[in-house]
Amino acid sequence: DQQVKQNSPSLSVQEGRISILNCDYTNSMFDYFLWYKKYPAEGPTFLISISSIKDKNEDGRFTVFLNKSAKHLSLHIVPSQPGDSAVYFCAASLNNAGNMLTFGGGTRLMVKP
Amino acid sequence: GAVVSQHPSRVICKSGTSVKIECRSLDFQATTMFWYRQFPKQSLMLMATSNEGSKATYEQGVEKDKFLINHASLTLSTLTVTSAHPEDSSFYICSARATLDFTNTEAFFGQGTRLTVV
Repeated sequence: DQQVKQNSPSLSVQEGRISILNCDYTNSMFDYFLWYKKYPAEGPTFLISISSIKDKNEDGRFTVFLNKSAKHLSLHIVPSQPGDSAVYFCAASLNNAGNMLTFGGGTRLMVKP
Repeated sequence: GAVVSQHPSRVICKSGTSVKIECRSLDFQATTMFWYRQFPKQSLMLMATSNEGSKATYEQGVEKDKFLINHASLTLSTLTVTSAHPEDSSFYICSARATLDFTNTEAFFGQGTRLTVV
């Protein structure tokens, strides 16, 4: 049973436009969510996170929105840049599980110049 | 952010041999380290949780006798793939949590190890 899902395996966006990556989860006990960026043959790089007590967190070009009632979160990147092209994973954790993360399947973002 | 170093980054081994992967926290002490595995075009799957000075906790379906985990110090955890088979070929990634860090923060990841068993 996949507790964290990213239903779009890929997304193509024009440079300068907004990229929206979506993530859904089923476990209502998750209370901390993170987004990671990953290049092939490298470990994930942390981008941004959000606690379940918030509905929005912003850091530069990256904004994460959380809708707890819908069990949905999204990552907005604006403006998108070619260097943003990578696979993006959302991840979730339970309060008592430290940094044990449950990952979504990933979305490959391609930003076209 | 904190640095986690994983070594080797790439290894090719013959079937039946064993391979050891090291995960080190370079600038912090890690009471807990996590080992993940990623198959091509798939997500990261947690294999086991490694606690310093105690036995690792394995996720369902992960063979503890095949994937030996040792967390002998606060800065080093090792994953040994024993009697490797081609189906063990995968990308293995570790992450570490700092000592006494009871808040949820980002996990610090190593750069990963690409294992190819021929």
